[in-house]
Amino acid sequence: GAGVSQTPSNKVTEKGKYVELRCDPISGHTALYWYRQSLGQGPEFLIYFQGTGAADDSGLPNDRFFAVRPEGSVSTLKIQRTERGDSAVYLCASSLRISTDTQYFGPGTRLTVL
Amino acid sequence: SQQGEEDPQALSIQEGENATMNCSYKTSINNLQWYRQNSGRGLVHLILIRSNEREKHSGRLRVTLDTSKKSSSLLITASRAADTASYFCATDLYGNNRLAFGKGNQVVVIP
Repeated sequence: GAGVSQTPSNKVTEKGKYVELRCDPISGHTALYWYRQSLGQGPEFLIYFQGTGAADDSGLPNDRFFAVRPEGSVSTLKIQRTERGDSAVYLCASSLRISTDTQYFGPGTRLTVL
Repeated sequence: SQQGEEDPQALSIQEGENATMNCSYKTSINNLQWYRQNSGRGLVHLILIRSNEREKHSGRLRVTLDTSKKSSSLLITASRAADTASYFCATDLYGNNRLAFGKGNQVVVIP
């Protein structure tokens, strides 16, 4: 089947605007992860879901960031009142289960806040 | 903070040569994984080595893990131009697959 997909691939917005980033995991994968990668750095963990619930959201930088996964499949990362420092590539990954299963990454969404 | 730290950070080699990169970490781990990333976008999983394993092979890749030194190495043999990419190590700190990545190792293979 298809791999992890993310839309949009690129998003340019203005400071203060609201954005939504979407992730479609591999079918049947119960675990879903969001990471953020700044230029020249490795990805940093934001949040992960086991099914519909956020099992660990300790990586979200502040309360402007929120993510949902209402039906246990597609997830949306929401950023309110965007700031220039939010510019990064946002990566989504899924795995069959939480545990030590391999994570499969999507191509990412490059967010640019002007 | 980043758990893994790759060394060296940038490597340029001729096609056909071997490329070796290292990663160190600070705390106990369940497993360590290596990923490849092209053009700053999606990561491709290369290999996972568990804490009770010392060496693992996959095609032209060889990974070692030394838990006493808290370090791992990735060897790419007979490199190809297509191996040009950034390589990241990632550790599972909490046993729930929440990965902590290093800063990455840029490898350029010159044809």
